[in-house]
Amino acid sequence: AQTVTQSQPEMSVQEAETVTLSCTYDTSESDYYLFWYKQPPSRQMILVIRQEAYKQQNATENRFSVNFQKAAKSFSLKISDSQLGDAAMYFCAYRSRYNYGQNFVFGPGTRLSVLP
Amino acid sequence: EAQVTQNPRYLITVTGKKLTVTCSQNMNHEYMSWYRQDPGLGLRQIYYSMNVEVTDKGDVPEGYKVSRKEKRNFPLILESPSPNQTSLYFCASSRTPDSNQPQHFGDGTRLSIL
Repeated sequence: AQTVTQSQPEMSVQEAETVTLSCTYDTSESDYYLFWYKQPPSRQMILVIRQEAYKQQNATENRFSVNFQKAAKSFSLKISDSQLGDAAMYFCAYRSRYNYGQNFVFGPGTRLSVLP
Repeated sequence: EAQVTQNPRYLITVTGKKLTVTCSQNMNHEYMSWYRQDPGLGLRQIYYSMNVEVTDKGDVPEGYKVSRKEKRNFPLILESPSPNQTSLYFCASSRTPDSNQPQHFGDGTRLSIL
């Protein structure tokens, strides 16, 4: 079974600075998808960014980018020019390409604080 | 507006009193799923449904039931709730079960079982 680890339960960053949240995963599959979800205090789960394992190019979405290292099974999220609205819980998630249905595995989350 | 709607958002109840959390999506999605979120554990899948009348267990199904009689609705049933089911619950849906489809989440239901 796949597992997802986020080793930083809490992190903080100064407004306008850059922060990197780490995520590692364990799988024997070669093809899969990785996601970062943001959960603000409102509890909504918001998709931040998505990476397909067979694509070597790192995904980017505006101020959010990932560093995907397939061999190391690492999928970190970089937030540039941090804003107060980035404060939230961030979850890394793995989705198997083959195991339809029962295929989403989430990490325990990292709580990010943004300091003014 | 495309959305996944869960009700109620908050519920405090007592051990053994049957309860149902409703989930409805207006996007004609085939795939729906229930998760529970607990501190330090992230989200764990309870049940999922690939389509109408097709449901299957996720990672933590004990103590829960689901049904999928209509495409839009996927209620979560706790027949005899216990305190260890106190948690934050999320319903999610995606257009198909394919792995590249992002999931749309409801706003969550905070359940407290006394």
